[in-house]
Amino acid sequence: DTGVSQDPRHKITKRGQNVTFRCDPISEHNRLYWYRQTLGQGPEFLTYFQNEAQLEKSRLLSDRFSAERPKGSFSTLEIQRTEQGDSAMYLCASSLAGSLIPQPQHFGDGTRLSIL
Amino acid sequence: DQQVKQNSPSLSVQEGRISILNCDYTNSMFDYFLWYKKYPAEGPTFLISISSIKDKNEDGRFTVFLNKSAKHLSLHIVPSQPGDSAVYFCAASAGGVSQGNLIFGKGTKLSVKP
Repeated sequence: DTGVSQDPRHKITKRGQNVTFRCDPISEHNRLYWYRQTLGQGPEFLTYFQNEAQLEKSRLLSDRFSAERPKGSFSTLEIQRTEQGDSAMYLCASSLAGSLIPQPQHFGDGTRLSIL
Repeated sequence: DQQVKQNSPSLSVQEGRISILNCDYTNSMFDYFLWYKKYPAEGPTFLISISSIKDKNEDGRFTVFLNKSAKHLSLHIVPSQPGDSAVYFCAASAGGVSQGNLIFGKGTKLSVKP
């Protein structure tokens, strides 16, 4: 059983460039979440999908951020016109919704974004 | 406004002794609580969870206690092992089985000394 997979692990880019990250969830999981973590903080929620529907977006998700999960499997997170403040670890998690009890979210190892 | 607080940034314990990590929350709508462990350069790993209908959940060396009236939960690790050294995050969610996003604390760095 493979876990949540994220690609790339590291991304270094210049300010103003666009970047895209990919997340492959655990195969039977129908929910997929994106979080952002900065140094000394816990992960902060960005958005989540159930199958291909984007159900919730945080106010942290500015207009420069967009996430998709077109076929209800993998997801992409795009950041346009990157800024210094976007430097962070971007974490993806997945879970199985619809059971009788809440199910834990399982995280990938993240994509570390560094803006020069 | 932090809804989930871990007031101890770090904790050091001797191998074989008990580690107690604490977490406080302010939102009374939270009904599902989780603990994650995080090693450097890795994502958070799920450890143990508890629903608000319970006050204790145990899994091997890990036990989570929930005190709803005090809005407090704790993670007990007995006995502590050097491999337990990591950052521990407390997280909470609302919405029952339809839980959405998790709200995390800032973490407590546990060091277990041989």
